[in-house]
Amino acid sequence: EDQVTQSPEALRLQEGESSSLNCSYTVSGLRGLFWYRQDPGKGPEFLFTLYSAGEEKEKERLKATLTKKESFLHITAPKPEDSATYLCAFRDYGGATNKLIFGTGTLLAVQP
Amino acid sequence: SQTIHQWPATLVQPVGSPLSLECTVEGTSNPNLYWYRQAAGRGLQLLFYSVGIGQISSEVPQNLSASRPQDRQFILSSKKLLLSDSGFYLCAWTQGETQYFGPGTRLLVL
Repeated sequence: EDQVTQSPEALRLQEGESSSLNCSYTVSGLRGLFWYRQDPGKGPEFLFTLYSAGEEKEKERLKATLTKKESFLHITAPKPEDSATYLCAFRDYGGATNKLIFGTGTLLAVQP
Repeated sequence: SQTIHQWPATLVQPVGSPLSLECTVEGTSNPNLYWYRQAAGRGLQLLFYSVGIGQISSEVPQNLSASRPQDRQFILSSKKLLLSDSGFYLCAWTQGETQYFGPGTRLLVL
């Protein structure tokens, strides 16, 4: 069964303390790995899409990478405003109409 | 630019009452539309998706239904709410291969 697992469930960092979030997946054929940021009480905000192993994308302090089995969201020198839940999802090969399978997310808290 | 609206933002309903949540998209035509539910501490669960007017696919058996009466309007309904219907309901649309989400509706069934 296709599934995605995120770790850790929660992460507390000091401002400026870099770290990485993990998203591992088991799918029959990957057609995109997506990262979203979700603030409390709001809808997820799209961050990145990765399609092939070795691909990397960056946005401000965030960098997403992809291997054949997992994706990492690296956070460099985080600030308190980076605090949020980060969700990853994949679109499986052969799936119709862009259905996404989501992980349960990593709750990131960055303390000043 | 495209925008997606959901209302109401928050809703408190008694068990057994009906439900209607609305989602509209602006700035695009013939979008794929989706309804998700997010329970506390859980990931997003896809409930329904639609590729066009009157075309609805259900992902999980449940107490809810969906309709798409217009190209950019997607409605989530129930005839009788259950306690287990409480959650955060999100509407999404697709541009290319990326899904974009609305602000969500917080539903509490008491």
